[in-house]
Amino acid sequence: AQKITQTQPGMFVQEKEAVTLDCTYDTSDQSYGLFWYKQPSSGEMIFLIYQGSYDEQNATEGRYSLNFQKARKSANLVISASQLGDSAMYFCAMREGRGETSGSRLTFGEGTQLTVNP
Amino acid sequence: EAGVTQFPSHSVIEKGQTVTLRCDPISGHDNLYWYRRVMGKEIKFLLHFVKESKQDESGMPNNRFLAERTGGTYSTLKVQPAELEDSGVYFCASSQDRTGRYNEQFFGPGTRLTVL
Repeated sequence: AQKITQTQPGMFVQEKEAVTLDCTYDTSDQSYGLFWYKQPSSGEMIFLIYQGSYDEQNATEGRYSLNFQKARKSANLVISASQLGDSAMYFCAMREGRGETSGSRLTFGEGTQLTVNP
Repeated sequence: EAGVTQFPSHSVIEKGQTVTLRCDPISGHDNLYWYRRVMGKEIKFLLHFVKESKQDESGMPNNRFLAERTGGTYSTLKVQPAELEDSGVYFCASSQDRTGRYNEQFFGPGTRLTVL
C-alpha cells in the first residue's frame, strides 16, 4: 500500500530565508509521481510542483524546488526566499503510474503547517 | 477559465439528516475525484469518475455515501443518514489527460461538513 509521511506538523521560518518541508513515501511501484500542494487559510488547494519517478533532475518551479532522493524515498520541498504569503498548510501527495494518464488517486500525507515570521 | 467550484462551502446538519454536496469541475475535464479530510488527518480518496462512470470507488467508507455524475459534468455526493464521524472537509478535484504532461489535479475550495 502507498503511504506518505510528513513528520513535521509545524514549521517556522523567518521571512527571506529558505525552508525545507520533509516528505517520505512508500510504494512498491516503479512508476509514480509526487506532488506538493499548498493550502492557505482560505481553503483552496494550490498545485505547486511535480516530480516523476523517472525524472533524473530535481523539479523546480520558481521559488519551489523538490529535493528528490529516490533511493531514500524522499521528496522534500524547498522554498527559497520565504515570503509572508507562503504561510499555509503544505501537503505532499503521490500518484501511482506514469504522468500521461491521470487516472489514479492521490495519496496524501498529513500536511505541514508553515508559518513565515516577519 | 473558471476553477473547480463546490457548493455549499459549509454545511451544519444534525445526525441522521441528509446532505448533498455538489462539485462543478473545470470545463472539459473528464476526471473528477472526491476526497475527504477528517479532523486534521490526511486527505483521503473517496472515488474517481471518468466522465459519468465510476472508475474507482474503493475509498467510499460505506453505503451511506452515494456519488453521482449525471451527464459527465457536475457531480453530487450525498450522505444519508449522516453520522458524527462524517464531519470533515470534502474536496473535489478534476483533471484532464494530456499526452506528455503530468496532469495535475485541480482542487476546489472544499465543503466543510459539520454533523452535530
